[in-house]
Amino acid sequence: GEDVEQSLFLSVREGDSSVINCTYTDSSSTYLYWYKQEPGAGLQLLTYIFSNMDMKQDQRLTVLLNKKDKHLSLRIADTQTGDSAIYFCAEGVTGGFKTIFGAGTRLFVKA
Amino acid sequence: SAVISQKPSRDICQRGTSLTIQCQVDSQVTMMFWYRQQPGQSLTLIATANQGSEATYESGFVIDKFPISRPNLTFSTLTVSNMSPEDSSIYLCSVPGQVSYEQYFGPGTRLTVT
Repeated sequence: GEDVEQSLFLSVREGDSSVINCTYTDSSSTYLYWYKQEPGAGLQLLTYIFSNMDMKQDQRLTVLLNKKDKHLSLRIADTQTGDSAIYFCAEGVTGGFKTIFGAGTRLFVKA
Repeated sequence: SAVISQKPSRDICQRGTSLTIQCQVDSQVTMMFWYRQQPGQSLTLIATANQGSEATYESGFVIDKFPISRPNLTFSTLTVSNMSPEDSSIYLCSVPGQVSYEQYFGPGTRLTVT
C-alpha cells in the first residue's frame, strides 16, 4: 500500500544545514510536498516538487528528488531557531485530495 | 490562500461522550477534508465533505462514528461519537487551494479522551 516514511527527530545547531529525508512508495505520485507544523498551528505548505523534477531551490530550501529510489529530501540552509517545527513529507496525485503524509520529523535547533 | 479556523482548539472528554468540532473557512469551497493525526503518527484522511451531498469516508472510518455535516460552502462539522481513549488525536480540517497541488489546513483540534 501507499506509505511515506521519515525519521522522527533531527537536532542541529543554529547556522548549520538541516537535511530531512523521506521515502515514499507510490510511483504514480504527481507531487511531493514538504509541510511545516509549528506548535498550535495548522500545517503550512513549505514547498513542493513535481515528480518529473530532480531538484527545486527556494531561498534557504532545497528539495532533492530521486524518483528511482523514491527518496525525497529537504535541506534547510543556515538553520535558525525559528525553523524548529515538525516537517511532514507527503505525496499526492493531481488534485491533492489523496495526499499521503509521513509521521513528521521534529526538528530541534540549538542556539 | 484560505484562512481556516477550528473550534474548539482543544478539549478533554469523558469516555462514551461525543464531541463536535467546527471548521470555518473564509471563502467558499466545494470540498472540505477531515484528517486525524494520532500521537506520533501521520495524518490520515477521515472523509471528504461536499456541500449538498453525503460525506465520503475512507476505509476504516464510518459515518456512525464520525458523522459530518456540511450545511454551506464555508462551514463543516465533524462529530467524534461514543469516544474512547483511542480517539485521542488532533483533528484537522483542510480545503484545496486554487491550484491542484495546494491544500490548506486549519490549526487543528486536540482531543484527549479519558
